[in-house]
Amino acid sequence: SQQGEEDPQALSIQEGENATMNCSYKTSINNLQWYRQNSGRGLVHLILIRSNEREKHSGRLRVTLDTSKKSSSLLITASRAADTASYFCATDAGSGYSTLTFGKGTMLLVSP
Amino acid sequence: NAGVTQTPKFQVLKTGQSMTLQCAQDMNHNSMYWYRQDPGMGLRLIYYSASEGTTDKGEVPNGYNVSRLNKREFSLRLESAAPSQTSVYFCASSDRDRGVYYFGPGTRLTVT
Repeated sequence: SQQGEEDPQALSIQEGENATMNCSYKTSINNLQWYRQNSGRGLVHLILIRSNEREKHSGRLRVTLDTSKKSSSLLITASRAADTASYFCATDAGSGYSTLTFGKGTMLLVSP
Repeated sequence: NAGVTQTPKFQVLKTGQSMTLQCAQDMNHNSMYWYRQDPGMGLRLIYYSASEGTTDKGEVPNGYNVSRLNKREFSLRLESAAPSQTSVYFCASSDRDRGVYYFGPGTRLTVT
């Protein structure tokens, strides 16, 4: 079953604008990760945020995590056409050995 | 360093035929995974192998079998393909529990 759910399902913006995607999940987590998938390709890891962290930055990416609301957001600043892709959140939950559970993704289109 | 490789890239099967999807990683990772991706469904875990010599079922294991041949290779077998198994299959690996996943390029399978 899906643990994370991304919102919106699709987002269309102009180059230079910021893009914000949200992820909500259901159970407690150890960490939450964001991945990007270009059309027809495999997923590529972007950033990992642990349950005891509230914010993390990597280049033009900013991720926040609110464990009380069970939600995370991914902000891409100054978007470029090359950022056009689908973005997935993935949660690592539970004790013992754990696997990642992926959401359905947000499709981002950045127009020149 | 090729990362995670998958063969074949594309495959068309008739209902009832069998095939094996191959996956190999050269990053010396302990854990390997098979996911399927369907439109609107995100990625769903089929089987995983936490370490060489072990395999476990994921969310959607019915109709599939796996073999962890050695630390590098993890194969997925469809014994009797069904149209419901039409999907894109991704193999992934990670170096430890709760770590980052590295994905292969995927196998696009169509069952007619």
